[in-house]
Amino acid sequence: RKEVEQDPGPFNVPEGATVAFNCTYSNSASQSFFWYRQDCRKEPKLLMSVYSSGNEDGRFTAQLNRASQYISLLIRDSKLSDSATYLCVGADTGGFKTIFGAGTRLFVKA
Amino acid sequence: NAGVTQTPKFRILKIGQSMTLQCAQDMNHNYMYWYRQDPGMGLKLIYYSVGAGITDKGEVPNGYNVSRSTTEDFPLRLELAAPSQTSVYFCASSPRDNYEQYFGPGTRLTVT
Repeated sequence: RKEVEQDPGPFNVPEGATVAFNCTYSNSASQSFFWYRQDCRKEPKLLMSVYSSGNEDGRFTAQLNRASQYISLLIRDSKLSDSATYLCVGADTGGFKTIFGAGTRLFVKA
Repeated sequence: NAGVTQTPKFRILKIGQSMTLQCAQDMNHNYMYWYRQDPGMGLKLIYYSVGAGITDKGEVPNGYNVSRSTTEDFPLRLELAAPSQTSVYFCASSPRDNYEQYFGPGTRLTVT
């Protein structure tokens, strides 16, 4: 079983749609979680950190469920510019055992 | 502010050749990382460093070596290149533990 698993997609949604990605992790010692965005042939960039209480940044909402060991990302009012691969990341205490999921591809169409 | 820089951007190696991938950051970050990303896969940690003179293995260190003589630089050495090392290599840095990592633009390496 992969330590961080994501639905690879692709998710094809129209502009304005709401889309949700889930990510599960197997290492209960993982302490920190993040969502990164990666555009085609580019480097990953942090989208948002994920806190136990949940957090929101504009159209993006991240949730962490430690009991079920999953993380979610909700994108509201999708824009064409949201088309990218979204990487779920978990890190152990110490941050050095940082595990990236394989990513979920999103295509937003006009 | 250049952030994290990597050279070269592209490289083709023949089997058995060696090379060094360069990585530098100007943000005075103590933590630095090397990852590889194969097509359709997530990033896998090769080596990391928590400061000058301190390095340690990640998930996939075989076939690679690193050094960290300064805070700014974290080169990755490939000895005896193999086709399995064909990948995109990303260097990243972070100011502290469990925090955002800042990535360089990557080096696309092909071994034939």
